[in-house]
Amino acid sequence: KAGVTQTPRYLIKTRGQQVTLSCSPISGHRSVSWYQQTPGQGLQFLFEYFSETQRNKGNFPGRFSGRQFSNSRSEMNVSTLELGDSALYLCASSFNPGQASSGYTFGSGTRLTVV
Amino acid sequence: GNSVTQMEGPVTLSEEAFLTINCTYTATGYPSLFWYVQYPGEGLQLLLKATKADDKGSNKGFEATYRKETTSFHLEKGSVQVSDSAVYFCALSERGGSQGNLIFGKGTKLSVKP
Repeated sequence: KAGVTQTPRYLIKTRGQQVTLSCSPISGHRSVSWYQQTPGQGLQFLFEYFSETQRNKGNFPGRFSGRQFSNSRSEMNVSTLELGDSALYLCASSFNPGQASSGYTFGSGTRLTVV
Repeated sequence: GNSVTQMEGPVTLSEEAFLTINCTYTATGYPSLFWYVQYPGEGLQLLLKATKADDKGSNKGFEATYRKETTSFHLEKGSVQVSDSAVYFCALSERGGSQGNLIFGKGTKLSVKP
């Protein structure tokens, strides 16, 4: 079966712009989580969605937002981009929320570069 | 709060050498523990996990034992291969809690030379 699909794989944006990243979970998975990976901060949890509702949120400013659609696909948006937002953004899916103990399935990520 | 500390890399080994990557954690309650691996240009893959004290997770020759008394979950492999070169992340998740997100260590880069 298809894995977690993230698009696009690479993105270059200018400071001040906004960006939208997409994640399609494994078929049948209803929960989607987003993580930011940077060399300095490592992997940090952004938010988790289930049934089109944000269930959990990490410690990120309001410029970072997301949503989930009825088919479980999710998007995350970053507005007013800053240089420090340059990172690999990873999406992970699971059948139900709060199932990190079962192990998430991660996508290959979207590499965002802000110039 | 919960946190994970793992040994800093990079770690460079010769093929067939023994590998240990140390990982300790701080958590309230009884977390589940994981090792994830990230190959160059890819996302994270779950390598192994343990959900309660004294459990041993194992996969592809890698092993880690959940040690509650020392709050540790060290990754070991008896004989590494060049194909094991990757970044390894130790992580925890509160078990049974409403917040199931993962908390990761900083990662340890492993390079295996032929």
